[in-house]
Amino acid sequence: QVQLQQSGPVVVKPSQTLSLTCAISGDSVSSNTAAWNWIRQSPSRGLEWLGRTYYRSRWYNDYAESVKGRITVSPDTSKNQVSLHLSSVTPEDTAIFYCAKQSFDSTAYGGIDYWGHGTLVTVSS
Amino acid sequence: DIVMTQSPLSLPVTPGEPASISCRSSQSLLQTNGHTYLDWYLQKPGQSPQLLIFSVSNRASGVPDRFSGSGSGTDFTLKISRVEADDVGVYYCMQAIQIPRTFGQGTKVEIK
Repeated sequence: QVQLQQSGPVVVKPSQTLSLTCAISGDSVSSNTAAWNWIRQSPSRGLEWLGRTYYRSRWYNDYAESVKGRITVSPDTSKNQVSLHLSSVTPEDTAIFYCAKQSFDSTAYGGIDYWGHGTLVTVSS
Repeated sequence: DIVMTQSPLSLPVTPGEPASISCRSSQSLLQTNGHTYLDWYLQKPGQSPQLLIFSVSNRASGVPDRFSGSGSGTDFTLKISRVEADDVGVYYCMQAIQIPRTFGQGTKVEIK
């Protein structure tokens, strides 16, 4: 059973960098059949996919245009975790942030089948 | 970006009765490999979203068979054959054919 344990500050000041970590158990961040996503949810934006990282002989990243230039999603293979960094935050970045695993490979797709518990991050001075 | 549009946005239901939610995408979700990348998720009150259906009609592990998905191209439907009290929450469709992944606005299902 895969478990995703999120951690990180719940309050971030405007213009600073939001940093969250997702510790993975029951799977490997380097799995060839998984992608590790960050998704946020707010009343104004609903569910918004932000970005992902995955390993297929090398590491790949994809990011939403809405946050490109401010976002980095990176794996830490030594700790089996994935991190989110979102720079230059504003109050509009206030949201619940979810780490989530998507199962897929070249022949099969299995949906976003595991979600973290969510972290409410408030951007406020 | 692909726009996902759900209807209705609110759905009062009677336990034991069927329910249906529609999801429409602004582009076809049919990939050249023959697969269609449309998922359904349920977010119960106070919880993270959970996967119900992937690739239009495949139930996720542990999902009761009263949930079914259908559709093709740009039009999709989630059906609950007999609603139970535990089915309340917000249902979302999501397209997984293109980056960025995009979600519908959500359909709030509540018991009458």
